[in-house]
Formats: sequence, structure tokens, C-alpha cells
Amino acid sequence: QPVLTQSSSASASLGSSVKLTCTLSSGHTNYIIAWHQHQPGKAPRYLMKLEGSGSYSKGSGLPDRFSGSSSGADRYLTISNLQSEDEADYYCETWDSNSRVFGGGTKLTVL
Amino acid sequence: QLQLQGSGPGLVKPSETLSLTCSVSGGSVTSPAYHWVWIRQPPGKGLEWIGTIYYSGGTNYNASLTGRLMISVDKSKNQFSLSLHSVTAADTGVYYCARRPHGDYGIDFWGQGTLVTVSS
Repeated sequence: QPVLTQSSSASASLGSSVKLTCTLSSGHTNYIIAWHQHQPGKAPRYLMKLEGSGSYSKGSGLPDRFSGSSSGADRYLTISNLQSEDEADYYCETWDSNSRVFGGGTKLTVL
Repeated sequence: QLQLQGSGPGLVKPSETLSLTCSVSGGSVTSPAYHWVWIRQPPGKGLEWIGTIYYSGGTNYNASLTGRLMISVDKSKNQFSLSLHSVTAADTGVYYCARRPHGDYGIDFWGQGTLVTVSS
């Protein structure tokens, strides 16, 4: 089954941009993923579906500040003009016919 | 507007059965457009997929939980449920119910989590 690898933490300043990475395991580098945001005490929120081509489709109401891109096994989530409410854990998700897996999550701190 | 509301006991004794229900409003568990998913998050850890029940009634479970797990749907109540048998402290965590569209898609909607503690 696929494995997703994420950095455990990231930080960036208010108003700046940050690019979070989710890396697919060997043999699964063309897989589609989904990005989710999880703020403490809240239900996780679906952000977008991201394909290996870099094409992405965002969830309803997601600001234009959020975008996705891909390069090889890497899937990226870029957040521009960081706001305080963007401070959260970000998870990537992928799947095959037998299972569904999540990355370990990246804790984003907005400075 | 879709809402998923999980419910169930917050405390379960070791070796007993953890039972949770997810009530669906603003949508239907019988819709062929969607499948229904359980995910959990142990304290201080990341998300773990538990299993999926398809609109057809078929199921797909995390291999690490197969044998202890059952996910079912109650069409009359528009709910889906989770039963996890012989629980241990390792099953402690926040349990989320969620929805994913049919086809090559990830989860597109999450319910509020339910904290379950396994302790005597």
C-alpha cells in the first residue's frame, strides 16, 4: 500500500507564503492525494484533491490563497498571505483499492 | 447542508466493545454518489483510517483491525455505525465519521469527532 511522508512541522510569518510537502512512496508516485486541514478542537476540513499532473480541485469556499502543485512523487500545498487562522495541522491522504492512508501531518505555526 | 454527528460512550472498559454511530443529515446514506468512512486519531498522533462502508453495503476495513471491526448502515435512521470488539488502551482516541465521493476521491467532508477512552 502507499505511504505518505510529511515534515512534522513548518512555520512562516503572518502575511507570507508557505509550501507544505507530501511525498508518495516508491511505486505510488502517480497517485492522487487529498489535503486536509485540522484545527485543534474542530472537525478536519477537506481542502483539495491534487493529481500527479498538478491539477487540483478545491473544496467549497476555500480561499484563493490555497493552491496545490505536484512534482514527481511530491504533492504540495501552498498557502499565500498567511493568516492566523491557518495555524493548524495539515494532512495528506491517498488510497488504493484496499486501503486509505494518511501522512503523519505537518503542524503549521504562523509567526 | 450536510452534517455528520458522531455519538457514543466516551468511556469503554478494556476487552469490551466500542460502539459509535454517525447520524447523517442533509444527505442520505443510500446515495450512490457517496461512501461513508470512519477515521480515528490516537492522542498526540496522526489520523488512521478505520474502514469504509460503500453505498452498496460492502465494506473495506483497515487490515490491522479486521477481525475486531464491523461497520454497518441503518437506512431507516440514515446512520452508519462502528463496532470495535476487544478494545485495549491503544484504541483510545478521537473517532471521526466522514464522507467520500464514489470514484477516485478522498474524503470530502468530516464530522465532529467523538473522544473515546478505553480504561477500567
